[in-house]
Amino acid sequence: AQTVTQSQPEMSVQEAETVTLSCTYDTSESNYYLFWYKQPPSRQMILVIRQEAYKQQNATENRFSVNFQKAAKSFSLKISDSQLGDTAMYFCAYSYDKVIFGPGTSLSVIP
Amino acid sequence: NAGVTQTPKFRILKIGQSMTLQCTQDMNHNYMYWYRQDPGMGLKLIYYSVGAGITDKGEVPNGYNVSRSTTEDFPLRLELAAPSQTSVYFCASSRQGTYNEQFFGPGTRLTVL
Repeated sequence: AQTVTQSQPEMSVQEAETVTLSCTYDTSESNYYLFWYKQPPSRQMILVIRQEAYKQQNATENRFSVNFQKAAKSFSLKISDSQLGDTAMYFCAYSYDKVIFGPGTSLSVIP
Repeated sequence: NAGVTQTPKFRILKIGQSMTLQCTQDMNHNYMYWYRQDPGMGLKLIYYSVGAGITDKGEVPNGYNVSRSTTEDFPLRLELAAPSQTSVYFCASSRQGTYNEQFFGPGTRLTVL
């Protein structure tokens, strides 16, 4: 069965600094999709970034980028120039036939 | 576009009562999902639908039922509410395939006492 693990329940970062959130997953499939979703205190889930497993190039969206290591089944999220609005829960998700979410990492950006 | 809307936002139920959580999307998405999020946890898939008239179980379907008579609506029914069903419930939708971005509703906070 596919599983998604996020080993950092809580993290904090100073405003304007860089932080990396970790995610590992388990699958026997070769073509799948990975996501990072953000859930701020408002509770609204928002897609941050998406990676297709057949693409070797790491996805980037403005200040957000990923380090996708397919062989290691690792999918970390890097947030550069952290802003106060980045304070949120971050969920890693894996998708093949269904979407499996990890338990989340609570990120606090400190002024 | 309103996106994905859910009603109610909050509800308190007594043990054994039943209720329906409503979910509507106006993006003409074929795929719709119901998740529950327990405190400090990730989302668990309850049921999903790949189109009108087609539904399937997710990870935690026990105690719930769904129907999908139209593309827009995907209600979740709780029969005989139990304290273990206290959670926040999210409805989501996506274009064809789970490989697409999911758009989430604002959630329904349900407490069963």
